[in-house]
Amino acid sequence: GNSVTQMEGPVTLSEEAFLTINCTYTATGYPSLFWYVQYPGEGLQLLLKATKADDKGSNKGFEATYRKETTSFHLEKGSVQVSDSAVYFCAPIMDTGRRALTFGSGTRLQVQP
Amino acid sequence: NAGVTQTPKFQVLKTGQSMTLQCAQDMNHEYMSWYRQDPGMGLRLIHYSVGAGITDQGEVPNGYNVSRSTTEDFPLRLLSAAPSQTSVYFCASSYTGPNTEAFFGQGTRLTVV
Repeated sequence: GNSVTQMEGPVTLSEEAFLTINCTYTATGYPSLFWYVQYPGEGLQLLLKATKADDKGSNKGFEATYRKETTSFHLEKGSVQVSDSAVYFCAPIMDTGRRALTFGSGTRLQVQP
Repeated sequence: NAGVTQTPKFQVLKTGQSMTLQCAQDMNHEYMSWYRQDPGMGLRLIHYSVGAGITDQGEVPNGYNVSRSTTEDFPLRLLSAAPSQTSVYFCASSYTGPNTEAFFGQGTRLTVV
């Protein structure tokens, strides 16, 4: 069945370090891919998305590329800031009947000054 | 711009009590959904609606009811609360077109004792 495997956290980095959060999925077809971010005490908000193979989504310095061959959508940022501390969710739309997001378990990122 | 508004933010219930979690959106979105967030499990879909008068079950619907009498409102009812329903609940809304962004409320933290 459909599933999402996301890098376990917590991830602790120093400010200006390079960030990678891995995400792979198992699905039939080619789902649209999303990264959502949840800042402390808030709901989720869209960070970036990619809707077809080789698309690159980007926002706020974060990037992720739709890799059809490896069914992956890894999140990267070249230089993290303290304000990036949050929980990050990889969430493809694989349940096309319900149009529902299928969420990974979330990766907590803590950036230290 | 209110977006998606959930009430209450926090709630404590005794086992067997019933209650309704409120969700309202002011973006004229057709699609609305309820998720629960449990530690280490990401978010799981409870119920969803593709428009007023139309609702359907998600991944974990047992113990919950929904209705959609207007485009704006999508309340979630717990019929007889159980400790297993202790969770954080998120309401989300979006347009029904493909690849559209979901907007989330700030969540309701529910504890059943």
